[in-house]
Amino acid sequence: AQRVTQPEKLLSVFKGAPVELKCNYSYSGSPELFWYVQYSRQRLQLLLRHISRESIKGFTADLNKGETSFHLKKPFAQEEDSAMYYCALSGKGGYQKVTFGTGTKLQVIP
Amino acid sequence: GAVVSQHPSWVICKSGTSVKIECRSLDFQATTMFWYRQFPKQSLMLMATSNEGSKATYEQGVEKDKFLINHASLTLSTLTVTSAHPEDSSFYICSATRPQGTNTGELFFGEGSRLTVL
Repeated sequence: AQRVTQPEKLLSVFKGAPVELKCNYSYSGSPELFWYVQYSRQRLQLLLRHISRESIKGFTADLNKGETSFHLKKPFAQEEDSAMYYCALSGKGGYQKVTFGTGTKLQVIP
Repeated sequence: GAVVSQHPSWVICKSGTSVKIECRSLDFQATTMFWYRQFPKQSLMLMATSNEGSKATYEQGVEKDKFLINHASLTLSTLTVTSAHPEDSSFYICSATRPQGTNTGELFFGEGSRLTVL
């Protein structure tokens, strides 16, 4: 079974402080990991995926297979980063089922 | 882009009636669409995978006779909540992936539909 765990429901940080949103997963094969974001009154959208190894809006996430983690990080939080963040996992290739974590609400305090 | 549109965005109905929610891919053909349900402050729960031209694949615990899914064309999937009851009140979200060959695994989401059953 595939499972995604986001231990924090709410994370509050001050503007300019570093951010780390935690995500751990359980999967028997080689997963694909994603971070999706939902800004207020907007739809869910992809933030980044591990295979791209890219930085989006200053966010990065490294897949750690040993710790089965895919934490989302940003060195300096900005107010516009306030949103719901969902970690998601799927199998490789094609139309694989995507499992979402419960989400973490990031609140950046001005 | 890859835009997915859901309609209606919110609906209120009486207990016992049926409600249909539409999910359209506006600028691409979606051979596969996914229907999720989201309870307040909880994660997205996959209900079913909708494949164009074939029967939907339902997740364990989801009643297929209760939640009818039809994917009759490459750009439209519908979810019908039959004989709705208050416990069916929820936020329903559809998503789609690009066709094979251009599929990166990214899901494109609709705006969601909030169903309230009185």
